[in-house]
Amino acid sequence: EIVMTQSPATLSVSPGERATLSCRASQSINSNLAWFQQKPGQAPRLLIHGASTRATGVPARFGGSGSGTEFTLTISSLQSEDFAVYYCQQYYNWPPWTFGQGTKVEIK
Amino acid sequence: EVRLVESGGGLVQPGGSLRLSCSASGFIFSNYAMHWVRQAPGKGLEFVSAIGSSGGGTFYADSVKGRFIISRDNSKNTLYLQTSSLRAEDTAVYYCVKDFNSWHHFDYWGQGTLVTVSS
Repeated sequence: EIVMTQSPATLSVSPGERATLSCRASQSINSNLAWFQQKPGQAPRLLIHGASTRATGVPARFGGSGSGTEFTLTISSLQSEDFAVYYCQQYYNWPPWTFGQGTKVEIK
Repeated sequence: EVRLVESGGGLVQPGGSLRLSCSASGFIFSNYAMHWVRQAPGKGLEFVSAIGSSGGGTFYADSVKGRFIISRDNSKNTLYLQTSSLRAEDTAVYYCVKDFNSWHHFDYWGQGTLVTVSS
């Protein structure tokens, strides 16, 4: 099973600032990585797939990068609606499809 | 517009059973693999089970293997999860999730149905 590790667990950021979230896979997953955003009481929403391809309707301030074992989600200028929990997920080697434990982006 | 609507959750005693359903619309259901993912209260996301587009190819997390059965009825555009021998640790919101194709990334999620296992 591929283990996904996200850091940090919590990220405190002021509105308008840049946020950088990390995700590491326990073995190479090429670019088979997705990022999801989850707000309280809501289902997760796909942001990024293929490590760097934005899903339909996702604002350009969300960017994904990386390949192999190291990945990054960058939010260039945080808006109020971006404060949420973010999960990475690998779909390279399954089952199981595995998720990171999440990074909570909170208002500083 | 893709829509996934789960139902069937509720309060059940340890050892009990529930059948979860997911009604799909807005896409050709029979063309896509589907998944169940759960989230325990205050916790992260956990893959539960998956099924291929035609119903062949089923997969389970070790934590539910032998207790849960995934199935689908493509004529009804509906995904199912039959749960049995439920434990307290199965308490979670269960999400129905559409695969981008077959065995690719997950794209659309339902709003979830809450299963609470408690005496």
